[in-house]
Amino acid sequence: ETGVTQTPRHLVMGMTNKKSLKCEQHLGHNAMYWYKQSAKKPLELMFVYNFKEQTENNSVPSRFSPECPNSSHLFLHLHTLQPEDSALYLCASSPSEWSGGASDTQYFGPGTRLTVL
Amino acid sequence: DAKTTQPPSMDCAEGRAANLPCNHSTISGNEYVYWYRQIHSQGPQYIIHGLKNNETNEMASLIITEDRKSSTLILPHATLRDTAVYYCIVRLRGTGGYNKLIFGAGTRLAVHP
Repeated sequence: ETGVTQTPRHLVMGMTNKKSLKCEQHLGHNAMYWYKQSAKKPLELMFVYNFKEQTENNSVPSRFSPECPNSSHLFLHLHTLQPEDSALYLCASSPSEWSGGASDTQYFGPGTRLTVL
Repeated sequence: DAKTTQPPSMDCAEGRAANLPCNHSTISGNEYVYWYRQIHSQGPQYIIHGLKNNETNEMASLIITEDRKSSTLILPHATLRDTAVYYCIVRLRGTGGYNKLIFGAGTRLAVHP
């Protein structure tokens, strides 16, 4: 139903590891988003890409590095993370044209549950 | 930014209507009200949205007061699968023409047998 897939679904990594999260959308959207959801906290917007260009970075530490090679794919590269970075990382996509209707709806993937040891 | 206020939790008996309130007293005239829900450890799911008229779809109904300062999401016949956190969001426009959602704490709805 969602049209947005994320891999892997679960990831355990050490603080010195480098890993990447992948998001793919099959909805023809041009805007893609990364959110972080820590335990018992609201979703926090991390990055926004619109037509492959990064348009928002909400003061995210540089150990998180996003990449958007095309409108269908979004990556989040991780390196030297901290245990407090353990969270559910969610990807979403939406059309980028402002129409004020249902086409502006964001569709979310199932998320990647990340644990940093 | 228009902020929303929701009760932290609500209970509902299975088969009964669940009415989830939301206050958004600082909403401006062109801002839409969106509702999403998040079942435990899954991504948020879009439910419904509206500007000033009441809306209904296959999942729920949305009632927006005439002054637009509050709204109510109605699940007409709640089932156990409707147990989730429900988010009321006033959508902002991003700088590139995309929509921007600011999630609050939401309402945790528990549907009981």
